[in-house]
Amino acid sequence: DAGITQSPRYKITETGRQVTLMCHQTWSHSYMFWYRQDLGHGLRLIYYSAAADITDKGEVPDGYVVSRSKTENFPLTLESATRSQTSVYFCASSPGPDHEQYFGPGTRLTVT
Amino acid sequence: AQSVTQPDIHITVSEGASLELRCNYSYGATPYLFWYVQSPGQGLQLLLKYFSGDTLVQGIKGFEAEFKRSQSSFNLRKPSVHWSDAAEYFCAVGAITQGGSEKLVFGKGTKLTVNP
Repeated sequence: DAGITQSPRYKITETGRQVTLMCHQTWSHSYMFWYRQDLGHGLRLIYYSAAADITDKGEVPDGYVVSRSKTENFPLTLESATRSQTSVYFCASSPGPDHEQYFGPGTRLTVT
Repeated sequence: AQSVTQPDIHITVSEGASLELRCNYSYGATPYLFWYVQSPGQGLQLLLKYFSGDTLVQGIKGFEAEFKRSQSSFNLRKPSVHWSDAAEYFCAVGAITQGGSEKLVFGKGTKLTVNP
């Protein structure tokens, strides 16, 4: 089915390990986004991308790396996971400015 | 910098009662405004959006919101709440970056509980 998917849906990892969260959309939207959701903070933007090979930092980028070699994929990598990165991560996509964003189902990440 | 304030962290209403969720924003230009809903364990679903034109916008599930520029507000309303409306609601403002991209700034959310 068309849409935006995230994998894995749940992940438990240890402090110091590298982990990659995947995001895939089938709409060919130009824009893609990564957010983290934490109690008391709402959603905060980590990174976003306006097109393939164009990425930029959001509000809370430290400790995260992104890439976008293909329009449909926007993986988020935690290079050395820390407990403070325990969160629910949402990917979103959008056709462009003045359009709404469409959200994936989220990935619940626990760092032990 | 742009920001969104949702003053009410948690609201409880009875089924059938009316609902108003408050949202205030800070943004220097004409804002794009959104309301999203998140059911437990789910992603975010768009309820409605304001880009321009009529300041009263209709959304899905019987929700509406009114943009009031003078009050920097975009409050969400529903005349009669159903038990299935229990969820968390997020207001967001769309901000244009220097590069011409758009990013959303979210409020911290209002959790709605509906009593039978």
